[in-house]
Amino acid sequence: QKEVEQDPGPLSVPEGAIVSLNCTYSNSAFQYFMWYRQYSRKGPELLMYTYSSGNKEDGRFTAQVDKSSKYISLFIRDSQPSDSATYLCAMSANTGFQKLVFGTGTRLLVSP
Amino acid sequence: DVKVTQSSRYLVKRTGEKVFLECVQDMDHENMFWYRQDPGLGLRLIYFSYDVKMKEKGDIPEGYSVSREKKERFSLILESASTNQTSMYLCASRLTAGTGELFFGEGSRLTVL
Repeated sequence: QKEVEQDPGPLSVPEGAIVSLNCTYSNSAFQYFMWYRQYSRKGPELLMYTYSSGNKEDGRFTAQVDKSSKYISLFIRDSQPSDSATYLCAMSANTGFQKLVFGTGTRLLVSP
Repeated sequence: DVKVTQSSRYLVKRTGEKVFLECVQDMDHENMFWYRQDPGLGLRLIYFSYDVKMKEKGDIPEGYSVSREKKERFSLILESASTNQTSMYLCASRLTAGTGELFFGEGSRLTVL
């Protein structure tokens, strides 16, 4: 079993839809949770960062962490074609050196 | 604007060739990383360096080596390239302190024939 599981997609939605992207994990020591966005032929870039449980909102994006269920989510409201990308979750334990463990990524396609 | 630059975006090499992938960051970050990204497998850590001349093996170091002689530069070396090393290679850097955010380069697509 992988430490972090993520549905590879693709997830196809029409413009304006609410998108839900999810990851599950097995290591209860994970404390730091991130979402990276990766456009085609580009490197990943940090989109959202959360520590421990709870919600964090940034514009159209909301990151949610449920540590009791070992489940994290990224919601995108009013999705745009420019949101079409691969979304990778990443997480790390509270150690001195924060080694990140990545999910395999979910490919999102938003059609006009 | 922060920047991680990978010198070669696309390379085609033959089996057995020695391959150098170069990465330079301009953010004065202590930590630097090399990942490879393959469909269905995600990002896998090959090597990392937490400071100059320091290096640590990641999850899949076999067949690779690294060099970090200067803080801004981290090189990945494939001593004898093999076809199963055909992949996208991503370099990243970050500060030791802080949120742990990784800054990635645009990647180097290596094809080994």
